[in-house]
Amino acid sequence: QVQLVESGGGVAQPGRSLRLSCAASGFTFSNYAMHWVRQAPGKGLEWVAVISYDGDNKYYADSVKGRFTISRDNSKNTLYLQMNSLRPEDTSVYYCARDGCSIGSCHDYWGQGTLVTVSS
Amino acid sequence: DIQMTQSPSSLSASIGDRVTITCRASQSIVNYLNWYQQKPGKVPRLLIYAASSLQSGVPSRFRGSGSGTDFTLTISSLQPEDFATYYCQQSYSMFITFGQGTRLEIK
Repeated sequence: QVQLVESGGGVAQPGRSLRLSCAASGFTFSNYAMHWVRQAPGKGLEWVAVISYDGDNKYYADSVKGRFTISRDNSKNTLYLQMNSLRPEDTSVYYCARDGCSIGSCHDYWGQGTLVTVSS
Repeated sequence: DIQMTQSPSSLSASIGDRVTITCRASQSIVNYLNWYQQKPGKVPRLLIYAASSLQSGVPSRFRGSGSGTDFTLTISSLQPEDFATYYCQQSYSMFITFGQGTRLEIK
């Protein structure tokens, strides 16, 4: 069965960095684009970034562009999100999600999420 | 960015009711519209993709419709497990955006 397991969340001071990981299993990871989606406490869903199946194409939300970097290692079945210059407004649960739709993009499987708290 | 606006923001309904949630895009997104359900403390779940295609395992009481800028999610007969927050999402643009959510509560 498809499994996505995030790790790397925690507490960071403003301006510092964190790297999130998402370990994938149960499907051919290298065949799928992957996304990060976040959700601030008590708020709605916000798309963060997407990476193509081969890692060649990456797109970011304006709110994180220039600070966050999405990457993947298909040999390790792992997705990453490098988060630099963190801000308090980046405090959220971060989910990795598989792009499993044949029409457009959609998130058919989600990890359980990892909480990132940015606070001094 | 394409803005997605859901209405209503919250809704009270009873078991067995028929419920409709609307999502409007700031420009045409053809049919690149998905719907998700999220229960408190849980991970979002894909219900509908490409405006009207039912995701595997989702009950047939969920129906999506629409094209262009206006879309609807209809639940034909509310069940206790349907009380949750629902989000629409556009994937016409590579810069994906979600609606603000519609909270469906028990009346």
